Amino acid sequence: GAGVSQSPSNKVTEKGKDVELRCDPISGHTALYWYRQSLGQGLEFLIYFQGNSAPDKSGLPSDRFSAERTGGSVSTLTIQRTQQEDSAVYLCASSGTPRGTSGNYEQYFGPGTRLTVT
Amino acid sequence: AQSVAQPEDQVNVAEGNPLTVKCTYSVSGNPYLFWYVQYPNRGLQFLLKYITGDNLVKGSYGFEAEFNKSQTSFHLKKPSALVSDSALYFCAVRDVGGSQGNLIFGKGTKLSVKP
Repeated sequence: GAGVSQSPSNKVTEKGKDVELRCDPISGHTALYWYRQSLGQGLEFLIYFQGNSAPDKSGLPSDRFSAERTGGSVSTLTIQRTQQEDSAVYLCASSGTPRGTSGNYEQYFGPGTRLTVT
Repeated sequence: AQSVAQPEDQVNVAEGNPLTVKCTYSVSGNPYLFWYVQYPNRGLQFLLKYITGDNLVKGSYGFEAEFNKSQTSFHLKKPSALVSDSALYFCAVRDVGGSQGNLIFGKGTKLSVKP
């Protein structure tokens, strides 16, 4: 079946501009995650959506970062007033974790959006 | 706080030899443990997970991992490496009793398999 898709695959933007990154999770998956992967670093957790619950925003690095998930499916990560340190690969993942369980389901990742801020 | 350590930035192995990629973890309770692989310019692919039960877990592409609670380790192994196994490998953990749904990832280990 279809996996997690992300768009665009690459984005080059000027410092100070806003960008929107999109994630389409696997159909039926209730949990959606955003991570950031910088060169030489591991994956940094950004935000987590679980069903209709309030998102866990504990990983967002600043108030320039925000995300929403419409209709429990598609998610958009927005970065306002981009800075050069925002340059990274932004990865989206989804999993079939039902609400109320402790979550032993593996996450399925999209191919990522490579963001370059010039 | 939860954490994962992958002590080797790079592992070099000759094709046909066994390989081991090391991972140690720290959680307050019992762990869920995962291994992912990332090929160049690709997203992460799930390899295997430990939830409970048998300490030896088998996964995709002939990989396996052994959960060792006393050593808080979850090393990834394969009996005979292939050149096509060359990639970036990530270990990840989630605290079973934790409220957060996200995984905590190690910094990754680059595996290079030479013919």
